[in-house]
Amino acid sequence: GDSVTQMEGPVTLSEEAFLTINCTYTATGYPSLFWYVQYPGEGLQLLLKATKADDKGSNKGFEATYRKETTSFHLEKGSVQVSDSAVYFCALTLNRDDKIIFGKGTRLHILP
Amino acid sequence: DGGITQSPKYLFRKEGQNVTLSCEQNLNHDAMYWYRQDPGQGLRLIYYSQIVNDFQKGDIAEGYSVSREKKESFPLTVTSAQKNPTAFYLCASTQRGSETQYFGPGTRLLVL
Repeated sequence: GDSVTQMEGPVTLSEEAFLTINCTYTATGYPSLFWYVQYPGEGLQLLLKATKADDKGSNKGFEATYRKETTSFHLEKGSVQVSDSAVYFCALTLNRDDKIIFGKGTRLHILP
Repeated sequence: DGGITQSPKYLFRKEGQNVTLSCEQNLNHDAMYWYRQDPGQGLRLIYYSQIVNDFQKGDIAEGYSVSREKKESFPLTVTSAQKNPTAFYLCASTQRGSETQYFGPGTRLLVL
C-alpha cells in the first residue's frame, strides 16, 4: 500500500548546523508531497509542499525536492536555529478522498 | 481570524465513561478529519467527513463515533469501548480539491 518512511529521531544538532531529514515514499500513482511541522503542544502546520517531480518546495529556509527516480523528498536547511526544534512529518496525498498519509515523524532538537 | 478550534485542551476520562471532543472550523471547508497521535507512531486516521451528514471510518475507528450535522462542526466521541484512549487528538479540515490540511491545536485525553 501507499506509505511514507522517514528517518527515526531524535535528531540533535547544534545551532547553525546543516540539517537533513530523510523521507522516502511508496505510492501507486503520482502523489503530492508535504512536510508538516509540529511545535511542542500544538497541532501540525504545513511547512512546504511539492506537487510534481523535480518541484522544489521551500519555506522559512527549509527546502525539499520531489525526486521521482529515488521516490524521495528529503528536508534540508542550511543553518538551523533553536526555534526549529519541533517534530517534522513527511506526508503524501494521492487525492483519493482528500486523505493524507503521514510518516511517523522525526523529533529535532537544536542546542544553543 | 479563520481557523480550527478544539476544546478542551485537556480532558480526563473515568473508566466506563464516554467523552466528547469538540472541533469547530470557520474556514468554510467541506472535509474534516480526526487523527490520533501516540508517541513514535505518527498520526493515525480515526474518522473523516467530506460532506455534511456523511462520514467514513479511517484506520482505527473502533471505540470512536462521530457526527457531522453542521459543516463547521465535527465532534468526536471516545466511547467506553475504546480501551486505550490516552493520546493526543487532532482535528483537521480541508477544502475539497485542495491538498493541504489545516490542523487545530489538539486535545490531550487522559484516563483517571
